[in-house]
Amino acid sequence: KNEVEQSPQNLTAQEGEFITINCSYSVGISALHWLQQHPGGGIVSLFMLSSGKKKHGRLIATINIQEKHSSLHITASHPRDSAVYICAVNPETSGSRLTFGEGTQLTVNP
Amino acid sequence: EPEVTQTPSHQVTQMGQEVILRCVPISNHLYFYWYRQILGQKVEFLVSFYNNEISEKSEIFDDQFSVERPDGSNFTLKIRSTKLEDSAMYFCASQPGTVYEKLFFGSGTQLSVL
Repeated sequence: KNEVEQSPQNLTAQEGEFITINCSYSVGISALHWLQQHPGGGIVSLFMLSSGKKKHGRLIATINIQEKHSSLHITASHPRDSAVYICAVNPETSGSRLTFGEGTQLTVNP
Repeated sequence: EPEVTQTPSHQVTQMGQEVILRCVPISNHLYFYWYRQILGQKVEFLVSFYNNEISEKSEIFDDQFSVERPDGSNFTLKIRSTKLEDSAMYFCASQPGTVYEKLFFGSGTQLSVL
């Protein structure tokens, strides 16, 4: 069983829709990261969370430590948001390494 | 914004050859990492480097792999004798100081072993 599970694997939305991507993990963590991977392969860090909620522009990330669950929300989605969104965690027992989820492929159609 | 720079962007090599992948992390960062992503699979941790030494490594990071920070700016990953299964995108990342901060990734080196 993967330590980090994301859902859905694939998501297609119409421009303007509100999008939610979920991440569940099975181990105690120090931090959780949301990353964006563009079609060319490059990875950009969106958020690092250890508790609560963070917002940046149209992106909102939340985490519930007790339930071992995090969500990434995109409001007013746009075709340029099309990318793979990856959840990754720092397990408490593993120092600074990240354990990655499989990613969610998001496609936003105009 | 400061960037992590990786070279080359693509590397093609023959099985059994040595390759060196190069990275220039952000200058005042303290933690450095190598990750890899085999096509169609999730990103995997290889090694972390702090205070001029390896702080953690994965099962993948066997004796064929080594890392160096030879001059205080470059951070290199060497694969001594490449195998077909080493074909992957290799990402370098750096982090300012703790796990409670964002990572900054380079754009990756696509390694193809023939």
